[in-house]
Amino acid sequence: NAGVMQNPRHLVRRRGQEARLRCSPMKGHSHVYWYRQLPEEGLKFMVYLQKENIIDESGMPKERFSAEFPKEGPSILRIQQVVRGDSAAYFCASSTGQGIYEQYFGPGTRLTVT
Amino acid sequence: SQQGEEDPQALSIQEGENATMNCSYKTSINNLQWYRQNSGRGLVHLILIRSNEREKHSGRLRVTLDTSKKSSSLLITASRAADTASYFCATIRGGSQGNLIFGKGTKLSVKP
Repeated sequence: NAGVMQNPRHLVRRRGQEARLRCSPMKGHSHVYWYRQLPEEGLKFMVYLQKENIIDESGMPKERFSAEFPKEGPSILRIQQVVRGDSAAYFCASSTGQGIYEQYFGPGTRLTVT
Repeated sequence: SQQGEEDPQALSIQEGENATMNCSYKTSINNLQWYRQNSGRGLVHLILIRSNEREKHSGRLRVTLDTSKKSSSLLITASRAADTASYFCATIRGGSQGNLIFGKGTKLSVKP
């Protein structure tokens, strides 16, 4: 059973470009969470999605960031017009249910904005 | 401020010794989870303890939870060099949608 897959593992973007980060949850998992980690920091929650639904986006910046989890295909975290402050590691996690279940993390995408 | 805060921030021990890390949190929780992160890598789920549990074991790991003090501890017995990593506690607030709230982590270094 493959774990949570994320791609790309490393992404370099110039300021003003768009970044698209992909996450395929573990087989059988329909709940996806996105987190961001700055250097030497813990992870900060961004958004929680189920198939075709955004359940909680309270951690998402109001501008430039969006996320989706379509009926078919991976979850996508999209950052438009990236700035240097967006440089971070972005992790997604998946679980079988809401709330009390373990979340399993992917290897992360390290975004560098030059 | 962080929901979970680990203590100490950094810990250096010799192989074979035990390592104890503590975590404090602020609000009521559904459960508390511990994760390990090797440098530059993703997180590995170690153990989940529910709010109605007081202690849980998994191999060389022992986790305790004291909801009256809003604190948890992770004990790694007979540590190995391969245990060198950052360890994070993460909580799910009662009534939340399930998003984890992480502390800043304890950086553990086990010297051979």
